[in-house]
Amino acid sequence: EAQVTQNPRYLITVTGKKLTVTCSQNMNHEYMSWYRQDPGLGLRQIYYSMNVEVTDKGDVPEGYKVSRKEKRNFPLILESPSPNQTSLYFCASSLLIDEKLFFGSGTQLSVL
Amino acid sequence: AQTVTQSQPEMSVQEAETVTLSCTYDTSENNYYLFWYKQPPSRQMILVIRQEAYKQQNATENRFSVNFQKAAKSFSLKISDSQLGDTAMYFCAFGALRAGGTSYGKLTFGQGTILTVHP
Repeated sequence: EAQVTQNPRYLITVTGKKLTVTCSQNMNHEYMSWYRQDPGLGLRQIYYSMNVEVTDKGDVPEGYKVSRKEKRNFPLILESPSPNQTSLYFCASSLLIDEKLFFGSGTQLSVL
Repeated sequence: AQTVTQSQPEMSVQEAETVTLSCTYDTSENNYYLFWYKQPPSRQMILVIRQEAYKQQNATENRFSVNFQKAAKSFSLKISDSQLGDTAMYFCAFGALRAGGTSYGKLTFGQGTILTVHP
């Protein structure tokens, strides 16, 4: 089944404790991206990747890191999480950026 | 920078009636594409409809259609014969293309409109 697998679905952590949210797709998509969803603000793009080893900042990249060492994986790293990073996070992929995005099931992150 | 505005935080409609969700965007680009995505309470993101700016014809997908007004930078979504399963948050999204047709990679979403369909 074609899908984007995102883990974990829920995560509670404390300020400053490094964490990684994993994202993997099995569709051989070139384009992958991360978004955060906050009430009243919609989805905002954090980082995106057009292909392996090619990543670029979205609109809200501060406090996040990504890597794209393999085509299928695009992890989101929070090196020192802060409470303002409490949010719902989505990973997405598509064959081409202007085609339909396939989204993961989301990660609800709470930073205490 | 591109901006996308959904001015209706919440809308409601009776089952079987028609509702229109508004979306406006601001860009200096001439070539771009637009989406409407739906997010039901399950929080899964589902593509509703897609429109390319160079196409004058409005996109339709079954009960869903758009009114794309390029000069006005408006991209509204019309849902006909509303069903209970249409209850969801709806997001409008914009992505710009370079002159050669390749994407910049950035995708900008609006704030979302919560639609409730009443029986």
